[in-house]
Amino acid sequence: DADVTQTPRNRITKTGKRIMLECSQTKGHDRMYWYRQDPGLGLRLIYYSFDVKDINKGEISDGYSVSRQAQAKFSLSLESAIPNQTALYFCATSAPPSNEQFFGPGTRLTVL
Amino acid sequence: GESVGLHLPTLSVQEGDNSIINCAYSNSASDYFIWYKQESGKGPQFIIDIRSNMDKRQGQRVTVLLNKTVKHLSLQIAATQPGDSAVYFCAENIDDYKLSFGAGTTVTVRA
Repeated sequence: DADVTQTPRNRITKTGKRIMLECSQTKGHDRMYWYRQDPGLGLRLIYYSFDVKDINKGEISDGYSVSRQAQAKFSLSLESAIPNQTALYFCATSAPPSNEQFFGPGTRLTVL
Repeated sequence: GESVGLHLPTLSVQEGDNSIINCAYSNSASDYFIWYKQESGKGPQFIIDIRSNMDKRQGQRVTVLLNKTVKHLSLQIAATQPGDSAVYFCAENIDDYKLSFGAGTTVTVRA
C-alpha cells in the first residue's frame, strides 16, 4: 500500500470553482508539504506544516490555502481556481532528523 | 536570488553507458543535498543524498559528487538501463527542513 496518497489523481474544473486536493499518509510523519510542478520549473513549495497546529506559507502561497486536519491529513484548497493554477500538485512528508521527503503520486489539475 | 539548477534539461544515453547529470547551486550555506528520480505519472522518489561534509557518496549503481568550491553537484549512473529513463531533480536543504528543487533533467535511454 502507498505510504502517501493523494485524491483525486486527476481533476478538470472551471475558472472560479473551489477545489480541494487531499493528502493522507501512513508514515507517521509530523511534517507535510504541498508542492506545485510546472514544466521546466521543477517543484515549488506552496505550504508546509510541521505539526497539526503549525501552518506555514511557502514561496507561492497566493491563491491557495491549506488545512491540517490530523497528523495524517493535509489538504490544499484553491478558493477560486484560475487557469494559471493548472499544474501537477504533489504532497510530501518528512520526519526529522532526516531531510528526506516522501512524495505522493500527484494530482493533475486542469483549470479551464 | 539563490537557487538550485541543472545544467541541461535533457540527456540521451545509450543503454549500458554511464550517465552524468549535473546540478549547480548558489546557496553556499546549504548543508544537505538530495537527488530524486521522477518516472512518468509518479511522484519523485529518493535516489541518494549527501551532506556538505562529504565529497562523494555511493549507492547501488549511483554516485553523487559534491564540489563545494564551485558549488556543483553531479549524479553518476553506471551502466544505464531502460528503467533509468526519468526526470532527475537535485534539491538542497535551504532552511529548517525545506528543500529547494532544480528544474530537472530528462534522461532518455536509447536501446
